[in-house]
Amino acid sequence: AQSVAQPEDQVNVAEGNPLTVKCTYSVSGNPYLFWYVQYPNRGLQFLLKYITGDNLVKGSYGFEAEFNKSQTSFHLKKPSALVSDSALYFCAVRDSNRGSTLGRLYFGRGTQLTVWP
Amino acid sequence: KAGVTQTPRYLIKTRGQQVTLSCSPISGHRSVSWYQQTPGQGLQFLFEYFSETQRNKGNFPGRFSGRQFSNSRSEMNVSTLELGDSALYLCASSLGIGEYNEQFFGPGTRLTVL
Repeated sequence: AQSVAQPEDQVNVAEGNPLTVKCTYSVSGNPYLFWYVQYPNRGLQFLLKYITGDNLVKGSYGFEAEFNKSQTSFHLKKPSALVSDSALYFCAVRDSNRGSTLGRLYFGRGTQLTVWP
Repeated sequence: KAGVTQTPRYLIKTRGQQVTLSCSPISGHRSVSWYQQTPGQGLQFLFEYFSETQRNKGNFPGRFSGRQFSNSRSEMNVSTLELGDSALYLCASSLGIGEYNEQFFGPGTRLTVL
């Protein structure tokens, strides 16, 4: 069965420090992976995706993510955090082996990132 | 290009009533998905529509229904509202049904059931 785990409910980091938000996934076929960010009282904003190719994917606002097939992980990273990065981050996966799910997108429970000045 | 729009943004209803939420996808997008977001359950998938056909349905009771029109606009309906239906309802659109297509989300409709 398809699933996504975000093992940390909260991540706290000082401004200017690097940040990592962790994500692991489970699919039966090949994964298509996505990161989204949600600011208070807003919808989700797309940050980046991994479909195939280079394991390091660059996205919006200086974020990047590293795909690791052996560890079934897709961690979100940023070299230098900003206070304005504070938000709720969601990892999501689709399975290339569609089966009964017909390519439905599965989300993790989210990680609240707080960047303090 | 205009983003995904959802109306209304806020809604207050009482138990037993029904509600209809509307979603207009990004121009050219033909796939629309709906999600329910609550603090306790997180993001839960409701259903997905493509070309006016429901392609996928989550684990929600039959009180939750939806449809998609020929212009790709979508509505969802919740009948006989319960207190537990209070949530942020998010609509997302994508170009097609390919696995590589990212979804673009609207701002959501905040439903409060009293």
